[in-house]
Amino acid sequence: GAGVSQSPSNKVTEKGKDVELRCDPISGHTALYWYRQRLGQGLEFLIYFQGNSAPDKSGLPSDRFSAERTGESVSTLTIQRTQQEDSAVYLCASSSRFEGLSEQYFGPGTRLTVT
Amino acid sequence: AQTVTQSQPEMSVQEAETVTLSCTYDTSESNYYLFWYKQPPSRQMILVIRQEAYKQQNATENRFSVNFQKAAKSFSLKISDSQLGDTAMYFCAFARTSGSRLTFGEGTQLTVNP
Repeated sequence: GAGVSQSPSNKVTEKGKDVELRCDPISGHTALYWYRQRLGQGLEFLIYFQGNSAPDKSGLPSDRFSAERTGESVSTLTIQRTQQEDSAVYLCASSSRFEGLSEQYFGPGTRLTVT
Repeated sequence: AQTVTQSQPEMSVQEAETVTLSCTYDTSESNYYLFWYKQPPSRQMILVIRQEAYKQQNATENRFSVNFQKAAKSFSLKISDSQLGDTAMYFCAFARTSGSRLTFGEGTQLTVNP
């Protein structure tokens, strides 16, 4: 079946504008994760969903960042009043809670550039 | 909080040779999960190999194997018979429980030369 998909693939926005990034997880995967990857660095955890609740959102860097998920489906990460330091690749991953060791399957990411 | 350290920002190896990437981590947990992910220029993160800390036997997946030293909190990746397609950024990652968030190292850029 299809893997994790993310849209848009690339997004350029002006400082101060709001952006929405979308993630479509693998069908049937109950867990969904957002990570941020700054240029040349490792991935930083942002938020984790189990179903449509978010038991761990400790990685969101500020109140300008928010995320929601509809059921066990699509998730949207919203960044309000974007700043240049928000420029990064935003990666989404999903996993099935029913696997013995829940491997996280990653999407191709959205490259966000704030000018 | 858990931390993961990869001390080699860049490495290179000749095609068909063997290379070892280092990773150390810090945790107070007794059971946990460790992973190596590969990220080629396409940005797609691909799971290479994983290890459950309660298992003493080192994981292997074809040309990829790990040396897991729990007491030393070390988790190195050995790639045998390196291929050009192995050129990528490699990330070591830690998970406290199955399905929990991943904590990543800074990555090692591996280049396989013909």
